[in-house]
Amino acid sequence: AQTVTQSQPEMSVQEAETVTLSCTYDTSENNYYLFWYKQPPSRQMILVIRQEAYKQQNATENRFSVNFQKAAKSFSLKISDSQLGDTAMYFCAFMKPTNTGNQFYFGTGTSLTVIP
Amino acid sequence: SQTIHQWPATLVQPVGSPLSLECTVEGTSNPNLYWYRQAAGRGLQLLFYSVGIGQISSEVPQNLSASRPQDRQFILSSKKLLLSDSGFYLCAWSPPRDRSVIDQPQHFGDGTRLSIL
Repeated sequence: AQTVTQSQPEMSVQEAETVTLSCTYDTSENNYYLFWYKQPPSRQMILVIRQEAYKQQNATENRFSVNFQKAAKSFSLKISDSQLGDTAMYFCAFMKPTNTGNQFYFGTGTSLTVIP
Repeated sequence: SQTIHQWPATLVQPVGSPLSLECTVEGTSNPNLYWYRQAAGRGLQLLFYSVGIGQISSEVPQNLSASRPQDRQFILSSKKLLLSDSGFYLCAWSPPRDRSVIDQPQHFGDGTRLSIL
């Protein structure tokens, strides 16, 4: 079975600073996908960024980037120039395509607070 | 474009009462459908997923059940709610396995906050 671990239950960062959220996973699969989701106080789950395991290049979406280390099974999220609107719960997710449908596994989340 | 609807947004139910939460998806066919529960301050727990009409896989044994009577409809039910069923329930969908966009993530509904009294 796949497991996703987020070892930082809570983090805070000053506005405009950079913060890195960690995520590690355990799998024997070679073909998989990784995602970071953001859940603001409104509770809506919003996709932040995705990474295909077969791609060595780290994904980037504006102020959000990942550090994907496949051998170490690590998938950290870096938020640059943090904004107040980045305050949210962040979930790391692992997706395995199967013949019976895509299976998703989520970490327990990291609560990020951006301090003015 | 695809949309997902989940209702009700908030529900307060007494212990022992039945439950029915509904989720529908528009703009796609044969989606994979999922029900998650998120307890307060906790991560997402996958409850059920479905790859087709009448096909339900249960991840966690409990007093909840799921049904998929139509291609884009997914229902979460219980005959008798327990206090421990309180939480935030999320429905999600993703494209089916046979589509070329197999790397698509899940898309979530707005959630249902369920309080058991």
